[in-house]
Amino acid sequence: GENVEQHPSTLSVQEGDSAVIKCTYSDSASNYFPWYKQELGKRPQLIIDIRSNVGEKKDQRIAVTLNKTAKHFSLHITETQPEDSAVYFCAASKGGSYIPTFGRGTSLIVHP
Amino acid sequence: GAVVSQHPSWVICKSGTSVKIECRSLDFQATTMFWYRQFPKQSLMLMATSNEGSKATYEQGVEKDKFLINHASLTLSTLTVTSAHPEDSSFYICSATWGALGLTDTQYFGPGTRLTVL
Repeated sequence: GENVEQHPSTLSVQEGDSAVIKCTYSDSASNYFPWYKQELGKRPQLIIDIRSNVGEKKDQRIAVTLNKTAKHFSLHITETQPEDSAVYFCAASKGGSYIPTFGRGTSLIVHP
Repeated sequence: GAVVSQHPSWVICKSGTSVKIECRSLDFQATTMFWYRQFPKQSLMLMATSNEGSKATYEQGVEKDKFLINHASLTLSTLTVTSAHPEDSSFYICSATWGALGLTDTQYFGPGTRLTVL
């Protein structure tokens, strides 16, 4: 089955800095890669996703890049703010299947 | 759009009792719903996948007789934790998707239910 590795497990940055979270996947058939943000005690919220026919996608301060050859994808957050502090999960899934495999999560802490 | 609710948001019960958790898609018809369990500071662990009108598919290691899942309609799935024990204490989260296979892959999560078994 699919295996998703996520690094780092904890990331501490100063407000205004950039943050990068990386994930690797094992199944070359995976073609959908969402990123979720989960604040403490709350539900995971989809913040951005990318499909395998695209190499990069941006939404304001958030961007995701995908390298299919190397089987890794990354979340980039620029100009971080304290409200970006949360746990971020990456996931990978195959076409025709709704069941993503989640990474273990990255706890992002943005210090004011 | 794509709102998923869960009820209750938290529950405390005695060991040996059963607890039912409801997951509802409020503004769409969910063809597939998922149940996850999450321990503190850990990732989402998929327990089972349920499709409306059919039996749930459980992940390896999840006891189907202990965690009963019913997906009776396109907007409601329930998870019943039977004969609950303290080790069942956890955060349970459901999610839902819609559309025929391949039309959408996005999961929308419920707010979660905090279960504490005394």
